[in-house]
Amino acid sequence: EAGVVQSPRYKIIEKKQPVAFWCNPISGHNTLYWYLQNLGQGPELLIRYENEEAVDDSQLPKDRFSAERLKGVDSTLKIQPAELGDSAVYLCASSLTGLAGGLGTDTQYFGPGTRLTVL
Amino acid sequence: DQQVKQNSPSLSVQEGRISILNCDYTNSMFDYFLWYKKYPAEGPTFLISISSIKDKNEDGRFTVFLNKSAKHLSLHIVPSQPGDSAVYFCAARRGNNNDMRFGAGTRLTVKP
Repeated sequence: EAGVVQSPRYKIIEKKQPVAFWCNPISGHNTLYWYLQNLGQGPELLIRYENEEAVDDSQLPKDRFSAERLKGVDSTLKIQPAELGDSAVYLCASSLTGLAGGLGTDTQYFGPGTRLTVL
Repeated sequence: DQQVKQNSPSLSVQEGRISILNCDYTNSMFDYFLWYKKYPAEGPTFLISISSIKDKNEDGRFTVFLNKSAKHLSLHIVPSQPGDSAVYFCAARRGNNNDMRFGAGTRLTVKP
């Protein structure tokens, strides 16, 4: 079974340019997450979707970041305009959450991430 | 706020010996704890977990211990192998909303 797929794997852009990341979760997983990971730190949640609904976007900087999961499957995360401080790895994860997944499980499976460098 | 802390950024052990990775948390509402392993240029992969109703969970060479009173958990790897060399992240969550908080990670190096 294919894991979480992310593209591109690497992206280099100049500041003030837009950038978009794409994620395809594990088939059947209803919950999708976008994380930001700075160098030397653990992943930090940006937004969590249950199906097509964003149920937690409290940590998403909404002035420049946006995300969508229109059909409840794959998702895109966009930054416009990018700033130097946005250089990081952007991770996507998915899980089977809720009654279908069983209480106490809901293990999140991560994609390989997109490494963004803003010059 | 750093609710999950891994105070050792790195650990080096000899092959065949025990590796002990530590993690502390501050939020007493956390009720499920996980360890993830990350190789370079890959995403974190799930390794082992433990519910707050238990104090130990074992899976092959990996054992996680939870001390709720001390708000501390540890991951033991016995025996350590060179392929275990990676960054290990501790994570914690509360309830079923899957809002997971990660520590900063510990880089384990297992020397042959």
